[in-house]
Amino acid sequence: EVQLVETGGGLIQPGGSLRLSCAASGFTVSSNYMSWVRQAPGKGLEWVSFIYSGGSTYYTDSVKGRFTISRDNSRNTLYLQMNSLRAEDTAVYYCARASCTDNICPTHFSYWGQGTLVTVSS
Amino acid sequence: IVLTQSPGTLSLSPGERATLSCRASQSVTSTYLAWYQQKYGQAPRLLIYGASSRATGIPDRFSGSGSGTDFTLTISRLEPEDFAVYYCQQSGSSPPTFGQGTKVEIK
Repeated sequence: EVQLVETGGGLIQPGGSLRLSCAASGFTVSSNYMSWVRQAPGKGLEWVSFIYSGGSTYYTDSVKGRFTISRDNSRNTLYLQMNSLRAEDTAVYYCARASCTDNICPTHFSYWGQGTLVTVSS
Repeated sequence: IVLTQSPGTLSLSPGERATLSCRASQSVTSTYLAWYQQKYGQAPRLLIYGASSRATGIPDRFSGSGSGTDFTLTISRLEPEDFAVYYCQQSGSSPPTFGQGTKVEIK
């Protein structure tokens, strides 16, 4: 059974740093397309970052240079290092596994964790 | 690509048919269009991918259709557990984007 469990959220002051973790089970993180998606309180979904199975990484413009996605193959865990945090980064952060359609990858998010709340406030 | 969902809120009774629209600012290849359901306090759940393929375990009362810039999610007969927020999502153009959501509420 595929499971994704995020941890690491919390209350952090503006300008601070936080590292989110996403422990995966039932599949191998390094062989899949993994992503972080966030949702500000009462708002919609926003894609944040991808790490492809080959190791390539991608970010939405608002977090480029501040956030870093990575993975630890030995722990089968995905990470999101968040630096220089701003109030507008306040959100529930979801870890998601992306899937392919007709051998085109990635096209959609097939598995999601329960999310971890990050609150940036003084 | 901006995805605009309509209506913002749909008020219906159990047993009724729900039709949700997702309009893209540019053409999206069907392969790259997906739909999700999100209940309050829960993570999103994949319903439809490739515009019309149901995800594993999704009841056949959920169906997706459309092409180009206009896509539709249809729930043929609403069950009590279907009242939730629905999002469309595209990944044909970077960055991947979501619509703002349609809330299906009990009338």
